[in-house]
Amino acid sequence: SQELEQSPQSLIVQEGKNLTINCTSSKTLYGLYWYKQKYGEGLIFLMMLQKGGEEKSHEKITAKLDEKKQQSSLHITASQPSHAGIYLCGAIHNAGNMLTFGGGTRLMVKP
Amino acid sequence: DGGITQSPKYLFRKEGQNVTLSCEQNLNHDAMYWYRQDPGQGLRLIYYSQIVNDFQKGDIAEGYSVSREKKESFPLTVTSAQKNPTAFYLCASSLLAGAYNEQFFGPGTRLTVL
Repeated sequence: SQELEQSPQSLIVQEGKNLTINCTSSKTLYGLYWYKQKYGEGLIFLMMLQKGGEEKSHEKITAKLDEKKQQSSLHITASQPSHAGIYLCGAIHNAGNMLTFGGGTRLMVKP
Repeated sequence: DGGITQSPKYLFRKEGQNVTLSCEQNLNHDAMYWYRQDPGQGLRLIYYSQIVNDFQKGDIAEGYSVSREKKESFPLTVTSAQKNPTAFYLCASSLLAGAYNEQFFGPGTRLTVL
């Protein structure tokens, strides 16, 4: 969706390296979901951010919501091959509306 | 063991044929959704249902139809009117409708039109 842009579209990193994925909205963000998808499978919920400046962590993955910039970032520390997959952000632009999804970032981690 | 199941995982169809994709959930969720995912693209909403016997069009409903006769089931029919049906289809459910309710996803069905 052009309303929600993810960058980069794809990323290859060496195992052990840190990386950041961004999700930028053209509309006001009221909240944002991060999901992970293995190729050909369903989406796995990672975390949801609702308040500006909110930061959440799950294992080595940290996500933060910057309402002013209408952006969220997802940071992986010391990447592992198990982190490989497609990361998708889903934006809340209006409480009653459905989610709007970004195009995804495909991550490969080289052992 | 609660969750969402989709069947079949792979589906092949000849042009001009209708085909129905199954989605079942035992999470006791009121809301259910169908998304389409194309290579390198995000998810686009086809239809959603907030409650039994009710459903609403999403962003790309043309060429698709749904029904919600039971709370647990939300089948999607891809009709011959859908011009480019080859895609990965994902079903999801949430306790209630609306963006603040976390959606749980099924494993997906890959449809290929020959």
